[in-house]
Amino acid sequence: EAGVTQSPTHLIKTRGQQATLRCSPISGHTSVYWYQQALGLGLQFLLWYDEGEERNRGNFPPRFSGRQFPNYSSELNVNALELEDSALYLCASSYKGFRTDTQYFGPGTRLTVL
Amino acid sequence: SQQGEEDPQALSIQEGENATMNCSYKTSINNLQWYRQNSGRGLVHLILIRSNEREKHSGRLRVTLDTSKKSSSLLITASRAADTASYFCATDRNDMRFGAGTRLTVKP
Repeated sequence: EAGVTQSPTHLIKTRGQQATLRCSPISGHTSVYWYQQALGLGLQFLLWYDEGEERNRGNFPPRFSGRQFPNYSSELNVNALELEDSALYLCASSYKGFRTDTQYFGPGTRLTVL
Repeated sequence: SQQGEEDPQALSIQEGENATMNCSYKTSINNLQWYRQNSGRGLVHLILIRSNEREKHSGRLRVTLDTSKKSSSLLITASRAADTASYFCATDRNDMRFGAGTRLTVKP
């Protein structure tokens, strides 16, 4: 069974640009989560999508947005990039929502903002 | 804001020794999970313990949960160099809150 996949692996952008990160969940999983992990820090929860709807959002500005498609894959968009947006962005999926389910993580997209 | 906080921040031991990591959290939980992350890659789920459980084992891993103290511990017995990684605890409410992790180094 294929795991969670993310693309691209690395992304280099300049300040003010927009970045789009993609995630494909494990087949059968309907929930997708996005996390930001800045260097040396823990994971910060960004967004949770389930069945195409945004279910919860972390403490991030509105320039962080995303969506979930009918096939449950997801996109994370970061507008007006700032230097501090440089981080590893991890996507995870689960069969159901947070309360009972293990999340399976992808390898991440490393975003560098110059 | 972070919910789980791991302690210590870093731990260095010799192969064969046991490693103990602790996690404290702030609010009531449904379950607590431990994850491992190798070299800035994706996280791998290790074990889930529910709020009505006190101890759980999986291979060389032993997790305890004390809901009265809002704390959990992860014990890795007979550590191996391959256990070198960062370990995170995560708690659930309507989202998953991860701590900053414990960086474990196992020296051969």
